[in-house]
Amino acid sequence: NAGVTQTPKFQVLKTGQSMTLQCAQDMNHEYMSWYRQDPGMGLRLIHYSVGAGITDQGEVPNGYNVSRSTTEDFPLRLLSAAPSQTSVYFCASSQGATGNTIYFGEGSWLTVV
Amino acid sequence: GDSVTQMEGPVTLSEEAFLTINCTYTATGYPSLFWYVQYPGEGLQLLLKATKADDKGSNKGFEATYRKETTSFHLEKGSVQVSDSAVYFCALRRVNDKLIFGTGTRLQVFP
Repeated sequence: NAGVTQTPKFQVLKTGQSMTLQCAQDMNHEYMSWYRQDPGMGLRLIHYSVGAGITDQGEVPNGYNVSRSTTEDFPLRLLSAAPSQTSVYFCASSQGATGNTIYFGEGSWLTVV
Repeated sequence: GDSVTQMEGPVTLSEEAFLTINCTYTATGYPSLFWYVQYPGEGLQLLLKATKADDKGSNKGFEATYRKETTSFHLEKGSVQVSDSAVYFCALRRVNDKLIFGTGTRLQVFP
């Protein structure tokens, strides 16, 4: 019963490096999303997907790319990391029906130096 | 646009004290409302939810009632424990299961 799995949990990057945060869910959920958490700002939506092959931007998409080639996976790519992307990243998934639960992964702590 | 406003923290209480964390929202329609909790060094966990007006969500001694007339979803607990120390987030759900979060309220409970 894995739920939503994020990797890595911790990562330190140098400015300009690229990396991918992985997110996988085993609940056959159609909806997946990425949030970032910053002190005093709560969580903000980066990108989301309503199904395989469909993605859209959230509130803070700049500097991030996503794709959804399968229902299970929704990776988040940082093409050229910047110190402003130092944050905690959360992946979420859900079935998209009223009253259903939105599940979160355990988070990925990213530091860009 | 839609938004969620939470009381600023930290909220500092002694064990067994009564807790209230205020949450108000602005939204079109009647979105589902949630409280999430984040314990130190951990991810987000759903604490409770309410899907329509006058619903009361409850879990682990925490309660919140969806008040349409005051657009509020305040979190309450009658007797807090040291283990309740965490950051609490109020959130509302919009179309496509997008969540709008408040800024979070840190709760510190001392013995």
